[in-house]
Amino acid sequence: DQQVKQNSPSLSVQEGRISILNCDYTNSMFDYFLWYKKYPAEGPTFLISISSIKDKNEDGRFTVFLNKSAKHLSLHIVPSQPGDSAVYFCAASGEGQAGTALIFGKGTTLSVSS
Amino acid sequence: NAGVTQTPKFRVLKTGQSMTLLCAQDMNHEYMYWYRQDPGMGLRLIHYSVGEGTTAKGEVPDGYNVSRLKKQNFLLGLESAAPSQTSVYFCASSAWGSGEQYFGPGTRLTVT
Repeated sequence: DQQVKQNSPSLSVQEGRISILNCDYTNSMFDYFLWYKKYPAEGPTFLISISSIKDKNEDGRFTVFLNKSAKHLSLHIVPSQPGDSAVYFCAASGEGQAGTALIFGKGTTLSVSS
Repeated sequence: NAGVTQTPKFRVLKTGQSMTLLCAQDMNHEYMYWYRQDPGMGLRLIHYSVGEGTTAKGEVPDGYNVSRLKKQNFLLGLESAAPSQTSVYFCASSAWGSGEQYFGPGTRLTVT
């Protein structure tokens, strides 16, 4: 059973508009959430994270929101740029996870058109 | 500072052959991980290590072995490759207690 779910395989947005990527989780023991960005033929790169004690974390154009009661987080990219086109993975970790191993969602492919 | 490097980048094996994938990190991280990525499956943890000389199983360990003889290196071995092991393999490392992991560029393995 998937513990981290990204239900939208793809998202298309116009340059300058907002991109909203969503992620749901089922394990209430998760206490740390991350977003990774992946370009083709490269490894994932860390984008932004949020601890379960917060409900929002912002870094430049990227903001992550966490709704613990709904077990839902989202990544907002404003404004979206063509270089943001990539696969975005949501990941979670917490007590009971192997080391600090991450549980990944299946990813959402974002396409930003100019 | 190279971060996390992986060797080789590509490899084609025949069923039953063996090989070792090498991961090296220069960030003095305690934790190292091996993941595999398959289409539509995200990344799944194979094995991990919480320090030199330690290894443990992840979500999908069958058919793989690992070793961490030196802190900076984490090796993933396939003793008898199977077509089901065709995948892209990523190594990652992280500092003690940190959830943020740094990934290598990946190894694309095809087993025919």
